[in-house]
Amino acid sequence: QAQLVQSGAEVKRPGASVKVSCKASGYTFTDKGITWVRQAPGQGLEWLGWISAYNGKTKYAQNLQARVIMTTDTSTSTAYMELRSLRSDDTAVYYCATTGWATVTDFDHWGQGTLVTVSS
Amino acid sequence: QSVLTQPPSVSGAPGQRVTISCTGSSSDIGAGYDVHWYQQLPGTAPKLLIYTDRNRPSGVPDRFSGSKSGTSASLAITGLQAEDEADYYCQSYDSSLSGVVFGGGTKLTVL
Repeated sequence: QAQLVQSGAEVKRPGASVKVSCKASGYTFTDKGITWVRQAPGQGLEWLGWISAYNGKTKYAQNLQARVIMTTDTSTSTAYMELRSLRSDDTAVYYCATTGWATVTDFDHWGQGTLVTVSS
Repeated sequence: QSVLTQPPSVSGAPGQRVTISCTGSSSDIGAGYDVHWYQQLPGTAPKLLIYTDRNRPSGVPDRFSGSKSGTSASLAITGLQAEDEADYYCQSYDSSLSGVVFGGGTKLTVL
């Protein structure tokens, strides 16, 4: 059974960067892709992007592609999401989830979420 | 404003049947892209409920079912139980945005 464990909560100043990790276990890491989704307080789900753990191909949400970078480390089965130039409206719980390796499909296993708070 | 439109809330008594709609357009659901549904219990991560329009992952009760027609999809829940009280989200792909889109979410209240 796939399991994703994310890094702990972060508090950042506006303009800073944050890097969230997502360590996978229970499956062959390169057989799947990792997608990132965030949820602002009291709001719905927003898709951030996807990375194939098989070949490193990425696809980012248009409104974030200038500020987000997604990477993987296959040696440790860990995915990373870095968001730069943080603003107060980036405050949210950030989730990673497994999905297809060739393209984004359904999100079948989710991490526990990482709260990122952006505040001066 | 979400690309996919869901009712903000639905409710039903225990044992009843409820449906949650997810309305898109010709660039997402209407273009034939798969629709997936998630259940999010309070304070927890979302959980995959229905994938590829109508398929249930292992462990999801058959009280949950999905369908799709034209530019819309629906999630039906029969035999409502108190534990079904949660937020429900639909997800698809939008070719004009070249990315994944979610519905705004529907809060299900079991009366």
